[in-house]
Amino acid sequence: DGGITQSPKYLFRKEGQNVTLSCEQNLNHDAMYWYRQDPGQGLRLIYYSQIVNDFQKGDIAEGYSVSREKKESFPLTVTSAQKNPTAFYLCASTWTLTGEPQHFGDGTRLSIL
Amino acid sequence: QKEVEQDPGPLSVPEGAIVSLNCTYSNSAFQYFMWYRQYSRKGPELLMYTYSSGNKEDGRFTAQVDKSSKYISLFIRDSQPSDSATYLCATRSNILTGGGNKLTFGTGTQLKVEL
Repeated sequence: DGGITQSPKYLFRKEGQNVTLSCEQNLNHDAMYWYRQDPGQGLRLIYYSQIVNDFQKGDIAEGYSVSREKKESFPLTVTSAQKNPTAFYLCASTWTLTGEPQHFGDGTRLSIL
Repeated sequence: QKEVEQDPGPLSVPEGAIVSLNCTYSNSAFQYFMWYRQYSRKGPELLMYTYSSGNKEDGRFTAQVDKSSKYISLFIRDSQPSDSATYLCATRSNILTGGGNKLTFGTGTQLKVEL
């Protein structure tokens, strides 16, 4: 069954700690995206990647880092530099050139201990 | 001013009512329009995808786009309690004019359909 898998579903971060959120897709999509969702603010783009070993900053990239070593995987690291990391993080994927709408995973809820 | 404006609600309606959800946008380059439905603690799922001005119908759902006034709507007929969710509008420009397949989202409208 094709889809996007995000793990873990819930994650807790201590002060000064980096944490990594996983996103895996088996849809053979070339483009992958990370969004942050806060109440009343909709989805804001953190990073996106249209090809392996390449990625671009979105609107709110500060305090985050990504890698794209494999087509199916696009992990997001929330670094200690991100001072307000509590949010719902969503990963999405699609094909860049077809214009097909993005498909989403079921998210990771990150909270501060 | 945000590029896509959406009333956050909450909107509460009785079962069977017709629901109207709306967004406005400011960027004339936006040409493709989507509606996503998001249940609590879940990811958004695509409901409707449209390009041109006019109406597109799928079951109880109708998406309407008016590019002249930069206004998009989603109508839900015979609303059910299972329609209770947050509805997000999204839009993008032509992928060949730059930006790839990036989307710009509204803030979402929370809908509750009551028995």
